Amino acid sequence: GESVGLHLPTLSVQEGDNSIINCAYSNSASDYFIWYKQESGKGPQFIIDIRSNMDKRQGQRVTVLLNKTVKHLSLQIAATQPGDSAVYFCASAGTGSSNTGKLIFGQGTTLQVKP
Amino acid sequence: DADVTQTPRNRITKTGKRIMLECSQTKGHDRMYWYRQDPGLGLRLIYYSFDVKDINKGEISDGYSVSRQAQAKFSLSLESAIPNQTALYFCATSAGANYGYTFGSGTRLTVV
Repeated sequence: GESVGLHLPTLSVQEGDNSIINCAYSNSASDYFIWYKQESGKGPQFIIDIRSNMDKRQGQRVTVLLNKTVKHLSLQIAATQPGDSAVYFCASAGTGSSNTGKLIFGQGTTLQVKP
Repeated sequence: DADVTQTPRNRITKTGKRIMLECSQTKGHDRMYWYRQDPGLGLRLIYYSFDVKDINKGEISDGYSVSRQAQAKFSLSLESAIPNQTALYFCATSAGANYGYTFGSGTRLTVV
């Protein structure tokens, strides 16, 4: 079945360094991708999204890269701060006759920021 | 006020009891979803609704039922709660296909 997976369950970085969280997806028909951040005790919050007609999109301190050839998605966080400590989820949605637009979620990478 | 509101935030209930989790949204979205989150298993879809007259099962619907009372309201019921339904439950909404979801703050349910 269709799946979305993250490469590392936990990532530990030093404050001020850049963080890179990776994600792989299985459905080549996926054409919408999104990253969520979930802090302890809260619901997932939208960070950034990207559609398949793009390979890069930038937000405030975050960049999402999409490589459709290898079905890989990454989230880059610049100058990581303690407030970035959270669980990060990637998700994808596909198109086509069977599309319902439902997001398929990965299991999450826990980002730990060391002071 | 939050865009997606879930009540209650926390609930402890006994095995065999019926319980309802409620969700309301002010986003004006047609699509609403119920997920449960368990450690190591990520977010799993229970039920979803694309409009008031449309209800669909997700990947783990057994033991659950839903009601879409209005565009803004989507409730999840456990007819006879069991301990393995202990989890964090999230409601979400979306504007349509291939749009991001807006999540509520979650309901932490414990079945003893």
